[in-house]
Amino acid sequence: SVLTQPPSVSVAPGQTASITCGGNNLGSQSVHWYQQKPGQAPVLVVYDNDDRPSGIPERFSGSNSGSTATLTISRVEAGDEADYYCQVWDSTTEGVFGGGTKVTVL
Amino acid sequence: EVQLLESGGGLVQPGGSLRLSCAASGFTFNNYAMNWVRQAPGKGLEWVLSVSGGRPTTHYADSVKGRFTISRDNSKNTLYLQMNSLRAEDTAVYYCARRSIGGDAFDIWGQGTMVTVSS
Repeated sequence: SVLTQPPSVSVAPGQTASITCGGNNLGSQSVHWYQQKPGQAPVLVVYDNDDRPSGIPERFSGSNSGSTATLTISRVEAGDEADYYCQVWDSTTEGVFGGGTKVTVL
Repeated sequence: EVQLLESGGGLVQPGGSLRLSCAASGFTFNNYAMNWVRQAPGKGLEWVLSVSGGRPTTHYADSVKGRFTISRDNSKNTLYLQMNSLRAEDTAVYYCARRSIGGDAFDIWGQGTMVTVSS
């Protein structure tokens, strides 16, 4: 599997950021999303397309249909500035990450 | 508290070997599949290897097959990564990550350990 993400997304505070992840027949797979801030380990923010781990704000939501999965961050805050990665399992045994999207809060 | 703590990183010459460890705490280690994920400087995340829980089966990315070995000692709640024939392109931060039960996301990550392959 190859997962394609835009390199960067810019958004003003309080607005909505949408980060896409494209892949062949992606809608048939479970997509997970990670947030990584500089110098820190990744953190899971959305799993199984649209579920949130405990402690992740409701502002983070996900969807997945057709060939595109989307991570949506509503009411963006300065603290949301980070790199975001989508991830799936190829044949359930090999992990695959997208190239990552840098979210900049203007 | 659920925690993963990597150790063993450092500077190694090309062709050399290194062994990383990941100590787990706060959860029943042998119930979970465990993984190594790496990140080269300024680059994205790359899944490298995984090992299942109870009766371990392993899977490797093509980039490390034949050179890296993943193993676990459930009695010590520790995950290992033996890296042989290291190359400059193996330079990265290496994270251990737990694969969630029920779903299959990486739900817990360690802080990472840096491996630098250079002469």
